Amino acid sequence: AQKITQTQPGMFVQEKEAVTLDCTYDTSDQSYGLFWYKQPSSGEMIFLIYQGSYDEQNATEGRYSLNFQKARKSANLVISASQLGDSAMYFCAMREGKGGNKLVFGAGTILRVKS
Amino acid sequence: KAGVTQTPRYLIKTRGQQVTLSCSPISGHRSVSWYQQTPGQGLQFLFEYFSETQRNKGNFPGRFSGRQFSNSRSEMNVSTLELGDSALYLCASSLEPARRLAGRTDTQYFGPGTRLTVL
Repeated sequence: AQKITQTQPGMFVQEKEAVTLDCTYDTSDQSYGLFWYKQPSSGEMIFLIYQGSYDEQNATEGRYSLNFQKARKSANLVISASQLGDSAMYFCAMREGKGGNKLVFGAGTILRVKS
Repeated sequence: KAGVTQTPRYLIKTRGQQVTLSCSPISGHRSVSWYQQTPGQGLQFLFEYFSETQRNKGNFPGRFSGRQFSNSRSEMNVSTLELGDSALYLCASSLEPARRLAGRTDTQYFGPGTRLTVL
């Protein structure tokens, strides 16, 4: 069974600094997708970044980048130049590779950006 | 393009009642998935619908059901509500798998959720 582990329940970061949120995964599939979502207190899940298992380069989307280490089965999210608006819950998720769109989520990491 | 919409946004019900939640996917998206989010269990997959057919189902009791209409809008129904059904219910839409390409088109986009409280 697929599993996502986020070991950091909460993180603090100073405004304008970079922060790394950890995510490790476990799967026997060769083809899978990894996602990061942000969930502010309003509840909406906001898509941040995606990495496919066959992608050779680490994904980047603006201030977000994904440090994908396939052999280690890790997909850490790096947020550069943190902003106060980045304070939220962050979820790592994996889509199963055998068809279908089911996502398996980690427990999440609460990020607080300090001014 | 309009995002995923969910109605109602908030709902209060009592034990034993039933409830129906609605989700309208992004235009052109034909796959709709539902998730339940609770503080204790986190985010859990309920089911996925594609072309009016349930493709995938999570580990939830039969009280939880859903359907999808020909315009891809989806509803989920919970019968005989229990206190433990209090949760944020999130709907997500994505492109049909046949057109899925590598990368972003694989992405699921979520709606704002329906917060259900069972008293």
